[in-house]
Amino acid sequence: KNEVEQSPQNLTAQEGEFITINCSYSVGISALHWLQQHPGGGIVSLFMLSSGKKKHGRLIATINIQEKHSSLHITASHPRDSAVYICAVRYDGGSNYKLTFGKGTLLTVNP
Amino acid sequence: DTGVSQDPRHKITKRGQNVTFRCDPISEHNRLYWYRQTLGQGPEFLTYFQNEAQLEKSRLLSDRFSAERPKGSFSTLEIQRTEQGDSAMYLCASSLAGRVLDEQFFGPGTRLTVL
Repeated sequence: KNEVEQSPQNLTAQEGEFITINCSYSVGISALHWLQQHPGGGIVSLFMLSSGKKKHGRLIATINIQEKHSSLHITASHPRDSAVYICAVRYDGGSNYKLTFGKGTLLTVNP
Repeated sequence: DTGVSQDPRHKITKRGQNVTFRCDPISEHNRLYWYRQTLGQGPEFLTYFQNEAQLEKSRLLSDRFSAERPKGSFSTLEIQRTEQGDSAMYLCASSLAGRVLDEQFFGPGTRLTVL
C-alpha cells in the first residue's frame, strides 16, 4: 500500500486556470517535497517544506502537519506547466534520509 | 553544469546481459541515493550511501543488483543477468548531510529497456 496518496491522478486544465494538486501521508514526517517530471525527463525539485507555505513565481505549496496534508497550487496555468507532479516525504524515524513518493499527478494544460 | 549527472541516459539491452550505470553527484554532497521508477508509478528507494559506505539496501534490490561508491564520489549501479522486469528509469540523487532539511537533488535518470 502506497503511504503517500496524491489526487487527482490526472488533471486537464485550460490555460489560465488555477490548479490544485493534493498530497496526503500517513505518519509523521520531517520534510515534504514537491517535484516536477517532464515526459522522458529527470526530476526537478520545486519545493521542500516542513511547515507553512512557500511561493515561487506562479507556484505555491502549503503543508498542514496536523492534518498530514499538502497542496501544490499553480496560478495562471500555462501549457509549459504540463508535466507529472510528484509528492515525496521523508518520514521521521530511523531511515529518515530516503524519500517515499506518491504515484504522481499528470497535469495537461491546453492552450 | 554542477548538478547531478547520470550516464548513459538511455540503455537498451537484451535479456541476460549485464549493464552498469554511473551517477556523478554534486561535488560536495556526501549522501547519494538510487531510486527506480517504473511506468506510471512514483520512484522507489533502492539504496543509499553516506560517503563510500552503503548504509541501506531495499528488498527491491535483488542479488543481481550491486551498487558501489568507491571513493565517496561517483557511484555505479550494476544489474547482472537483466530481466524484462528490470526495465525502468533509474534515478540518482545526492544531498549534503547536515544542511537544513537535507534536500535531495536529482539527476536526469537512466532509462533501461530490456528486450
